[in-house]
Amino acid sequence: EVQLVESGGGLVQPGRSLKLSCLASGFTFSNYGMNWIRQAPGKGLEWVASISSSSSYIYYADTVKGRFTISRDNAKNTLYLQMTSLRSEDTALYYCARAVYYYSDYWGQGVMVTVSS
Amino acid sequence: DIQMTQSPASLSASLEEIVTITCQASQDIGNWLAWYQQKPGKSPQLLIYDATSLADGVPSRFSGSRSGTQYSLKISRLQVEDIGSYYCQQAHSNPFTFGSGTKLEIK
Repeated sequence: EVQLVESGGGLVQPGRSLKLSCLASGFTFSNYGMNWIRQAPGKGLEWVASISSSSSYIYYADTVKGRFTISRDNAKNTLYLQMTSLRSEDTALYYCARAVYYYSDYWGQGVMVTVSS
Repeated sequence: DIQMTQSPASLSASLEEIVTITCQASQDIGNWLAWYQQKPGKSPQLLIYDATSLADGVPSRFSGSRSGTQYSLKISRLQVEDIGSYYCQQAHSNPFTFGSGTKLEIK
């Protein structure tokens, strides 16, 4: 069974940093690209970043480019999202998802990030 | 960037009714389109990929179609478990934008 478990969220002040993790199981992690998608409270889905299976290809939404870094450790079956210079508009539920092409076929339960002073 | 214009924003329909949601792409994306369902309080679930292909385990009452740059999701006979929000997403080019969503309720 495919499982994706996000962690690392919480309350953080504007301008500070936070690192999210997503532990994958139930599939060969190193064979799949991965996505981060977020959802602000009461709002729709926003694609954030994607990384290919070997980290050769990485893409970011313009809203996070230069502030967020997606990475992965295939030996640890873990996906990361390093978030810096956080803003109030980054407040959202962050989902990691397994990618098939750039679709997301399995999603985690999400981890909440709240940026507030 | 490719814009995905989704309509309607909300929809109220009766059980067993046919429901259609559409997404208009701002440029050609071929068949690089997915539909997701998000039930209240849950994570999204992939319904349709490549515009018309049904994801594993998805009931056959869901179907996708394409006409040029307009994409449609059809629920042939609405069931109570279909309530929630629906989103399209283009996977043609970065940034991989989502539509704004459609909230589906039972009348």
